[in-house]
Amino acid sequence: DTEVTQTPKHLVMGMTNKKSLKCEQHMGHRAMYWYKQKAKKPPELMFVYSYEKLSINESVPSRFSPECPNSSLLNLHLHALQPEDSALYLCASSPTRTSGWDEQFFGPGTRLTVL
Amino acid sequence: ELKVEQNPLFLSMQEGKNYTIYCNYSTTSDRLYWYRQDPGKSLESLFVLLSNGAVKQEGRLMASLDTKARLSTLHITAAVHDLSATYFCAVAETSGSRLTFGEGTQLTVNP
Repeated sequence: DTEVTQTPKHLVMGMTNKKSLKCEQHMGHRAMYWYKQKAKKPPELMFVYSYEKLSINESVPSRFSPECPNSSLLNLHLHALQPEDSALYLCASSPTRTSGWDEQFFGPGTRLTVL
Repeated sequence: ELKVEQNPLFLSMQEGKNYTIYCNYSTTSDRLYWYRQDPGKSLESLFVLLSNGAVKQEGRLMASLDTKARLSTLHITAAVHDLSATYFCAVAETSGSRLTFGEGTQLTVNP
């Protein structure tokens, strides 16, 4: 298996809802990432997990809560989001980050709309 | 702070023509990546450039890296409509802490 999968593909939620995004990879990668991408802009790094531990949090608001239950799975829990949080959320993985940033492989993304 | 600049940001070209996209970065790095993104889709890895003078080619695309000039180029040869997409370069800091993306080049190839 040489891909990163993400579910759901699309998500519409109200500002009071709680939802979760899921990302999975079975390539044995030990680093996983969450990015946010607004239209016509580059991806913005949100979180990095390395060996299932949170290693980078780019000052993301607490309404976004990441979780890495095991080396293959990465979740992003969403609560009390704002309309400006509407974006494409991309998950990526790479073999390791101990010797620098290895090539990152991106999932198909979740298109999130907050009403 | 690492800064990455791509130019042009918008490129409209005719089929059959050649063109080059430039990616300049501000601090030392020896890892540079090129990605392609189609509208509403994810990022597809095109090239990984890991050393000074690295050159890689795939089909009508060729990427090169000059770490001394802190410059990478993505050259398009005899463009075809299927190459229409947004192309991002991304540079890794030598400390290995993160990737910094350029703003992207939106390429449109017209028949």
